[in-house]
Amino acid sequence: NAGVTQTPKFQVLKTGQSMTLQCAQDMNHNSMYWYRQDPGMGLRLIYYSASEGTTDKGEVPNGYNVSRLNKREFSLRLESAAPSQTSVYFCASSEARPGFREKLFFGSGTQLSVL
Amino acid sequence: KNQVEQSPQSLIILEGKNCTLQCNYTVSPFSNLRWYKQDTGRGPVSLTIMTFSENTKSNGRYTATLDADTKQSSLHITASQLSDSASYICVVSAGGSTLGRLYFGRGTQLTVWP
Repeated sequence: NAGVTQTPKFQVLKTGQSMTLQCAQDMNHNSMYWYRQDPGMGLRLIYYSASEGTTDKGEVPNGYNVSRLNKREFSLRLESAAPSQTSVYFCASSEARPGFREKLFFGSGTQLSVL
Repeated sequence: KNQVEQSPQSLIILEGKNCTLQCNYTVSPFSNLRWYKQDTGRGPVSLTIMTFSENTKSNGRYTATLDADTKQSSLHITASQLSDSASYICVVSAGGSTLGRLYFGRGTQLTVWP
């Protein structure tokens, strides 16, 4: 089973460029999430989608937009990349909704550098 | 302020030895506590999830304990293997009006030497 698949694995952008990170899960999970992980810090939630057709802001949503394309896919878009968005981005999914002992399954991450 | 603190920040042990990682939290109200293992270059993988009524939970050579009164948790690894080298992350899920909000610790980096 593929689980949670993220593309691309690595990306370098110039300040002001835009890009979309793609995420797909094949576990028929209801909820999907985007996190960022910075050195010396815990993971921080950017956006989440508790169910198909809904999206909500997390802890650090500024500078990002998301689209829950269908039950399988949840994309993260950077409209105008900034050096502060240099990070490792993780997509995750869960069968249960947030707050209901949901077990998160993570993708392998996207290493993004903004110059 | 809701926080999750882990100690030690890093740890080196010899293969076959046991070790214990600590997690202290101030998250309130509390819903559940999770431990994740994150290999270098990979996403975190769930090891255990415990509610306040569960004070011990095992997953193979990994045993997590929870003391909801003192707001402390530990992860004990028995007979360590080279493949245990990873970052171990403690995560606390909030309850009440912030149901589902997850608070991540910074992780303990464990290195197992042969």
